Amino acid sequence: AQRVTQPEKLLSVFKGAPVELKCNYSYSGSPELFWYVQYSRQRLQLLLRHISRESIKGFTADLNKGETSFHLKKPFAQEEDSAMYYCALRAGAQKLVFGQGTRLTINP
Amino acid sequence: EAQVTQNPRYLITVTGKKLTVTCSQNMNHEYMSWYRQDPGLGLRQIYYSMNVEVTDKGDVPEGYKVSRKEKRNFPLILESPSPNQTSLYFCASSLYGQSEKLFFGSGTQLSVL
Repeated sequence: AQRVTQPEKLLSVFKGAPVELKCNYSYSGSPELFWYVQYSRQRLQLLLRHISRESIKGFTADLNKGETSFHLKKPFAQEEDSAMYYCALRAGAQKLVFGQGTRLTINP
Repeated sequence: EAQVTQNPRYLITVTGKKLTVTCSQNMNHEYMSWYRQDPGLGLRQIYYSMNVEVTDKGDVPEGYKVSRKEKRNFPLILESPSPNQTSLYFCASSLYGQSEKLFFGSGTQLSVL
């Protein structure tokens, strides 16, 4: 069965510290993974996807098929990074499976 | 402005009273989908639509209906709501499918008493 696990419901770090939001997946096929973010009072929006291999707002995520992980990282957290983050897995043509979400708080 | 519009933002109703949550997009997207968000469970897909008159079940379709008579609209219908359908609902659309960037609506908080 397809599954996405975000083990941390809440994550709190200080401004300037490194951030890592964990995401593990379970899928027998070739995975396609995404990170979505919801800032306060804004809509859920795509942050990045692994096929693009891009860095958005200083965040990167590398797909590790051996560890079945797609952790989101940023070397220096900023206060505006405080938000709810969701990892998502495309499992099949039209099915997107979301993790439970991690609420990230950046302390000044 | 390109966006997905959901209405209403908040809705309180009673068990058994039929309701419809509307969703409209102005981006000429072919793909539309409904999700519900519950604490500790993340977002779960209810129904999706690949195009006009083409709909299919997601992971949690029980108790819901959808229709796609026009490309821009994808309403979610609860024929006989029950308290376990109390949730935060999101509509989303994309140009073709799940691999594309999904655009989300602002959400509808539904409470069924």
